[in-house]
Amino acid sequence: AQTVTQSQPEMSVQEAETVTLSCTYDTSESDYYLFWYKQPPSRQMILVIRQEAYKQQNATENRFSVNFQKAAKSFSLKISDSQLGDAAMYFCAFRAGGTSYGKLTFGQGTILTVHP
Amino acid sequence: GAGVSQSPSNKVTEKGKDVELRCDPISGHTALYWYRQSLGQGLEFLIYFQGNSAPDKSGLPSDRFSAERTGGSVSTLTIQRTQQEDSAVYLCASSLYGPDTQYFGPGTRLTVL
Repeated sequence: AQTVTQSQPEMSVQEAETVTLSCTYDTSESDYYLFWYKQPPSRQMILVIRQEAYKQQNATENRFSVNFQKAAKSFSLKISDSQLGDAAMYFCAFRAGGTSYGKLTFGQGTILTVHP
Repeated sequence: GAGVSQSPSNKVTEKGKDVELRCDPISGHTALYWYRQSLGQGLEFLIYFQGNSAPDKSGLPSDRFSAERTGGSVSTLTIQRTQQEDSAVYLCASSLYGPDTQYFGPGTRLTVL
């Protein structure tokens, strides 16, 4: 079984600054996918970014990028030029590859506050 | 197009009552998932549907929980004889096919008094 750990229950950042959210995972799988989801107060989970484990290049999506360290089993999310709309709960999630479906295992979440 | 919808948005019930939670996936999505988000347990997988069949029910916490999907579309999660520990947000997600990106609904917040 795999586990996902987010060690920062809460983080805060000033608007326009950069913040990094941490995530570590444990798995014996060699093929897997990692995700960051954002959950605003509306409760709807929104996919922020996705990383395939076989890809060495770190994924980026506009102001969002990841630092994927496969050997260390670390998958952090960097948010650049933070905006008020980035305030939300952020979840790191794991999915095993080589399966026919995409059951996700989530971390405990990090609440991000953005100060104007 | 329309996203995943869930109803009701909020449900308050008394201990011992049965409840039904509904999920309407994105049209054409063959895979459907239910997750539960609670303060004590975080976000946990409950059940996966491919079409109308459920190959993975491993996350259902007890036999009071059941789910079905009809017509390869709408899914209903039923909780019988609700307990206070069932209080949580129940999230539904769908994807075009099994391993594809999951799109989540807004969830149903269940409160058991």
